[in-house]
Amino acid sequence: QVQLVQSGAEVRKPGSSVKVSCKASGYTFIHYGINWVRQAPGQGLEWMGWISAYDSNTKYAENLQGRVSMTTDTSTNTAYLDLRSLRSDDTAVYYCARSTTPLNWFDPWGQGTLVTVSS
Amino acid sequence: SYELTQPPSVSVSPGQTARITCSGDALPKEYAFWYQQKAGQAPVLVVYEDRKRPPGIPERFSGSSSGTMATLTISGAQVDDEADYYCYSTDSSDNYRGVFGPGTKVTVL
Repeated sequence: QVQLVQSGAEVRKPGSSVKVSCKASGYTFIHYGINWVRQAPGQGLEWMGWISAYDSNTKYAENLQGRVSMTTDTSTNTAYLDLRSLRSDDTAVYYCARSTTPLNWFDPWGQGTLVTVSS
Repeated sequence: SYELTQPPSVSVSPGQTARITCSGDALPKEYAFWYQQKAGQAPVLVVYEDRKRPPGIPERFSGSSSGTMATLTISGAQVDDEADYYCYSTDSSDNYRGVFGPGTKVTVL
């Protein structure tokens, strides 16, 4: 079945970086893209951006430009989210979700990765 | 930046109909998508392209859209439908960046 499995929880200090992975299985990886969505504790969903697994074209949320990078490795069917210059308000559960483009539905979603930023 | 607006909460008795609205200036041109998120779980798609239902989603979930408002309707709500519901769309004037609404907590009691 189509599945996205994310890497485990991370703890980082303010100012550092974190890299979260999302391994896809059950479908042809390059036929879709991957969105990243985060959810701060007790808050709503925030779209962070999308990357095409076919040609690595990206769209990032405006408020994250310059701090975020999304990449894919087609040899391992894995997508990566890099977030730099971490702040305490980056503490959140980070989800990956498959879609053809940001204009289409997200399905399925990964299980989520908790990133805690604390000194 | 583009924003979608949802009511913070909706309460309904079991068997009654719950309606959740989502307002956005670009909705006449862009599709709305709806996601259900139960406590401690990842979101699940319940309606796509304004009114289509994915396989496995109960028929009591339906969507509609008119002008700048999209609506998710739960007909005959069940206790198991208690969750947060988020609408999602894109901003055609901002290079099609995605945006989620703030979410609506649906309580069935």
